[in-house]
Amino acid sequence: DADVTQTPRNRITKTGKRIMLECSQTKGHDRMYWYRQDPGLGLRLIYYSFDVKDINKGEISDGYSVSRQAQAKFSLSLESAIPNQTALYFCATSDTGNTEAFFGQGTRLTVV
Amino acid sequence: AQSVAQPEDQVNVAEGNPLTVKCTYSVSGNPYLFWYVQYPNRGLQFLLKYITGDNLVKGSYGFEAEFNKSQTSFHLKKPSALVSDSALYFCAVRDPYSGNTPLVFGKGTRLSVIA
Repeated sequence: DADVTQTPRNRITKTGKRIMLECSQTKGHDRMYWYRQDPGLGLRLIYYSFDVKDINKGEISDGYSVSRQAQAKFSLSLESAIPNQTALYFCATSDTGNTEAFFGQGTRLTVV
Repeated sequence: AQSVAQPEDQVNVAEGNPLTVKCTYSVSGNPYLFWYVQYPNRGLQFLLKYITGDNLVKGSYGFEAEFNKSQTSFHLKKPSALVSDSALYFCAVRDPYSGNTPLVFGKGTRLSVIA
């Protein structure tokens, strides 16, 4: 089983719909992140959390919200999806600041 | 603020030739630097990191990178490229002196190794 699991792997939704992307990890890490990947733009940080009671905005948090339900779970919500939120979304975890992050397989989201 | 630049969108190299994927960074102090690789339809996989110590860092799949503080660079290298190295490569940086900040990624460089 993957250490960082994202569900769903692919999703097509309509403009205006609310959608939730889920991430769970078995690595026991406190730190979890949501990134968005767009061609030519690399990975951009949406939200991050350093423990269950900690939520922080990244550089592109507008239109998104997150919930850290437990140490192992970090979900990303799009309250009202719009087409320019079509992208590949990655969840990642890390142990401390000087260790590498571990990524999930990604969720490909298409908003039509 | 911390940032990282990958000046090349695409790098083409012949199989068996050495490869270099460039990365430069900007942080206020000594950086933590990372390289990741992304194969098609996959997540990012960690290749190597520089935290402190020897400027030449060796990582997975025969890759290595050299930290150059004077040039603020952390270029990824491999002595002999394989077709299977074709992928998207990301450099990332963290400034440990900026508090608890996440990794900041470059825009990625697509490596194409031609047989």
